[in-house]
Amino acid sequence: DAGVIQSPRHEVTEMGQEVTLRCKPISGHDYLFWYRQTMMRGLELLIYFNNNVPIDDSGMPEDRFSAKMPNASFSTLKIQPSEPRDSAVYFCASSWGGKSSDTQYFGPGTRLTVL
Amino acid sequence: DAKTTQPPSMDCAEGRAANLPCNHSTISGNEYVYWYRQIHSQGPQYIIHGLKNNETNEMASLIITEDRKSSTLILPHATLRDTAVYYCIVRVQLNAGNNRKLIWGLGTSLAVNP
Repeated sequence: DAGVIQSPRHEVTEMGQEVTLRCKPISGHDYLFWYRQTMMRGLELLIYFNNNVPIDDSGMPEDRFSAKMPNASFSTLKIQPSEPRDSAVYFCASSWGGKSSDTQYFGPGTRLTVL
Repeated sequence: DAKTTQPPSMDCAEGRAANLPCNHSTISGNEYVYWYRQIHSQGPQYIIHGLKNNETNEMASLIITEDRKSSTLILPHATLRDTAVYYCIVRVQLNAGNNRKLIWGLGTSLAVNP
């Protein structure tokens, strides 16, 4: 398996523009997670899905952020409009929730810079 | 809020054992302890997890105290490639179903020196 795939790997945009980050989880995994990582706040869970349904979005910073999972093999995280404080590395992770173990496998991340 | 506390940084000599401590004094009976690490510019990588018993795998050993209020991750023979940020995490149950999430802290930055 190719692991969790994220695109783009790097994104530079200007304030006010819409940004869409994409994620393809590992085949067969039923959980998908979106995280944001900054030097100041560390790794923060934004939202996660189980079987394509959002379970906990309490980490989504504000209405400018939205996430969708239209099917088991694809998810998007959208920021509209983007602001400089959104600059961070965004990670997608997936896991299989069976039994007691739900080891999360992370993608390489998308480094977002908002100018 | 994170349910764990870790020292911000540690050093270890190459070839020696690295012992990374973690306090989780408010952990509940059904909450697991997970360890991940993040090598610079990469996504976090799973290492090991446990509930009550000590655990060992090809990467590390996890020692959990009997009262479960603290644990130690042991890298038996640290190499330069083990230089990374190590996260001790508690997995919390959200509801009666199968929904859980990991509560991440700031981790310990481990430097393995030659």
